[in-house]
Amino acid sequence: GAVVSQHPSWVICKSGTSVKIECRSLDFQATTMFWYRQFPKQSLMLMATSNEGSKATYEQGVEKDKFLINHASLTLSTLTVTSAHPEDSSFYICSARDFKSPQETQYFGPGTRLLVL
Amino acid sequence: DAKTTQPNSMESNEEEPVHLPCNHSTISGTDYIHWYRQLPSQGPEYVIHGLTSNVNNRMASLAIAEDRKSSTLILHRATLRDAAVYYCILDNNAGNMLTFGGGTRLMVKP
Repeated sequence: GAVVSQHPSWVICKSGTSVKIECRSLDFQATTMFWYRQFPKQSLMLMATSNEGSKATYEQGVEKDKFLINHASLTLSTLTVTSAHPEDSSFYICSARDFKSPQETQYFGPGTRLLVL
Repeated sequence: DAKTTQPNSMESNEEEPVHLPCNHSTISGTDYIHWYRQLPSQGPEYVIHGLTSNVNNRMASLAIAEDRKSSTLILHRATLRDAAVYYCILDNNAGNMLTFGGGTRLMVKP
């Protein structure tokens, strides 16, 4: 099946620093990718929809200036957590749909665990 | 978005079948029923999906009620590796995001 990768798989950083997370579709092209966040013992919450070549669409309550999303190509979307704080510590997961068959299932990355000290 | 309702948790014995229920009484005619599962510390993994007819694949079976207001994911022989949170999600297949509910945490006892 289709594969979505994320890098890094985990990251520890100091408060105030910025962290970039990459999401790649390895064997298909994705005009749209999605970024989710998951806190311990909770379900996935959509943060934003990343559209190739245009601005991302953010969910209510998600600060677009804090969570910068760039979808520069059909296989890569990046999420940058700017000036990270301990409350940003979470499990970040991206997903993508094959633009040739958007009716098909959504493929998820393995997730990136962020710990902000 | 149409919502789904699932039990918070279920237990099963290894090697026995598991039936995971999902209610989706407000499902629309264009909504597909998708099931994903999430193993600990991993991203969700696709399990199965269907529209009206029952579906089978190598991982599981999906039984859909005639009125489509409920469905059941069937794992024919649970293994310890099937312990995960199972999410039942409605998707109109318009390329939009998936909305996750609380899911069912399946525990498999040896």
